[in-house]
Amino acid sequence: DVKVTQSSRYLVKRTGEKVFLECVQDMDHENMFWYRQDPGLGLRLIYFSYDVKMKEKGDIPEGYSVSREKKERFSLILESASTNQTSMYLCASAPATTLRGYTFGSGTRLTVV
Amino acid sequence: GESVGLHLPTLSVQEGDNSIINCAYSNSASDYFIWYKQESGKGPQFIIDIRSNMDKRQGQRVTVLLNKTVKHLSLQIAATQPGDSAVYFCAENAGTYKYIFGTGTRLKVLA
Repeated sequence: DVKVTQSSRYLVKRTGEKVFLECVQDMDHENMFWYRQDPGLGLRLIYFSYDVKMKEKGDIPEGYSVSREKKERFSLILESASTNQTSMYLCASAPATTLRGYTFGSGTRLTVV
Repeated sequence: GESVGLHLPTLSVQEGDNSIINCAYSNSASDYFIWYKQESGKGPQFIIDIRSNMDKRQGQRVTVLLNKTVKHLSLQIAATQPGDSAVYFCAENAGTYKYIFGTGTRLKVLA
């Protein structure tokens, strides 16, 4: 069963901490994405990557960075966590032709206190 | 439980009835559309898709209708079951890497 795996389902971090969210896919997909999902706002794209070591900013990259050292792994980094980064974070992957949509992970619920 | 969807519009239907969930999309250049289902505690899952050269597509118990004139997409679920309870949202694509997602509708199936 193909999948996108996010390492943590729930995380609680303190303001100012550096936070790493990990995502691994086993489908050999070129494209990987990080979204955050907030009530009433839907999914908003933070960053995406179309190849190893390549990254592009999405709609809301401020306060975040990413790393893609290997094709299967895409990490989201909160350099200094803030309370307004409390959210559900969803990782997704897709082949180079993105028709048929994304395969999503189960999400990481991050709470920053 | 998940807080995603606390402020979502909610559609409540009786088990066995048909459900219709609507979505207004934003980009008249979008040519590919997907409906996703997101159950509590899970990531979104692909349900059905449609290209802009079609106005209707049927799957197993689900039908998607596309009205390009008014930029409207709907998902019909026949004989709704308790397992259909979830948040449903649409996604549109205008030929790039990026999808634009709707905010979602919560479907509640009443026994």
